[in-house]
Amino acid sequence: ELKVEQNPLFLSMQEGKNYTIYCNYSTTSDRLYWYRQDPGKSLESLFVLLSNGAVKQEGRLMASLDTKARLSTLHITAAVHDLSATYFCAVDVRTSYGKLTFGQGTILTVHP
Amino acid sequence: DAGITQSPRYKITETGRQVTLMCHQTWSHSYMFWYRQDLGHGLRLIYYSAAADITDKGEVPDGYVVSRSKTENFPLTLESATRSQTSVYFCASSDPGASRSYNEQFFGPGTRLTVL
Repeated sequence: ELKVEQNPLFLSMQEGKNYTIYCNYSTTSDRLYWYRQDPGKSLESLFVLLSNGAVKQEGRLMASLDTKARLSTLHITAAVHDLSATYFCAVDVRTSYGKLTFGQGTILTVHP
Repeated sequence: DAGITQSPRYKITETGRQVTLMCHQTWSHSYMFWYRQDLGHGLRLIYYSAAADITDKGEVPDGYVVSRSKTENFPLTLESATRSQTSVYFCASSDPGASRSYNEQFFGPGTRLTVL
């Protein structure tokens, strides 16, 4: 059974600081997805990482994938309040085409 | 409306009543999914469908029924609602067979269901 674990689950940051959210998964997968969820809202796709070594950046967020280590990171640079949200990673389930397995989510709060 | 929509957005019902949550997508995506989101549990897959008339159980299917007679619709029915089914329900769709789709799932706005 594929397991996806994120850490930390709660992250309180000051504006201007850098931090990284980690996403570990337990079985082989080539594709990883990051989603953002604002309070009371739906999930919005942030990044799709398709291969080992893939790196995607948008604004202050950068995601990377290491399939050999079964690890993805979401790096936050110089955090701003607008980045406060819950971030989920999700992994393709190779043995069940179409399904994704989600991590527990990381609740990020950025303080002034 | 283009995209993926859910109705109702909010629903209050009583224990034992039947409730149907609707999901409609305009992209002709082959796959559709129902998740529930509860504090401390993240997203849990209830049911999914690979195409019209093809459905399968997810992680937490008990107490739920789905059907998919048309590609664009994927209703979720709670046959006899219980308090433990109070949750936020999200529908999603994807088209993993399409070029450059990458199995990315697109989510509806959610339905907040309260069972009294």
